[in-house]
Amino acid sequence: GAGVSQSPSNKVTEKGKDVELRCDPISGHTALYWYRQSLGQGLEFLIYFQGNSAPDKSGLPSDRFSAERTGGSVSTLTIQRTQQEDSAVYLCASTQGSGNTIYFGEGSWLTVV
Amino acid sequence: RKEVEQDPGPFNVPEGATVAFNCTYSNSASQSFFWYRQDCRKEPKLLMSVYSSGNEDGRFTAQLNRASQYISLLIRDSKLSDSATYLCVVNGGSGGYNKLIFGAGTRLAVHP
Repeated sequence: GAGVSQSPSNKVTEKGKDVELRCDPISGHTALYWYRQSLGQGLEFLIYFQGNSAPDKSGLPSDRFSAERTGGSVSTLTIQRTQQEDSAVYLCASTQGSGNTIYFGEGSWLTVV
Repeated sequence: RKEVEQDPGPFNVPEGATVAFNCTYSNSASQSFFWYRQDCRKEPKLLMSVYSSGNEDGRFTAQLNRASQYISLLIRDSKLSDSATYLCVVNGGSGGYNKLIFGAGTRLAVHP
């Protein structure tokens, strides 16, 4: 597609369950970001992938969060044993490289009940 | 100190007003600066990049002051459609050059 694609767009899950969020970046973009935004709050950096380099995981809030990027394209963010405070919109973005414009997907809205 | 700080607002202004937002950043090595706009329950979208010499795009003017480590956004002749949250974005952060750090945003409400 032309833009960053995320799925699911909405997810309601029970506390303690695992969830997987998917991001399909713009074709040719080598860098991919995951951010989290809670209601009324700013964007919180989670993780950054650039080509074949080791990802920058400095923003992952706990070891329940992990992400991978297979084949340098699609990325999956996994949250294990979800908690209510994990409820937020998870935004994926991609860019051609450092200093370039980043483009966001529409986000995956996660609600943990 | 936060890596990128913005006045959260809200700024409530009448149509036609001129409004200015400032943003300060902590990493003097940062090289890339942007303003993004985010509408309610939507993803952020690029408004404009910020260049050292300053740049203008229609009613919007962005400026960078490296010595004082701040970025500004000026909106002239405000329209109702300008109502949104404006996010200051800086690269470099404490995690490295490629990490893009977002400010918490400044909310603008333009009223008739």
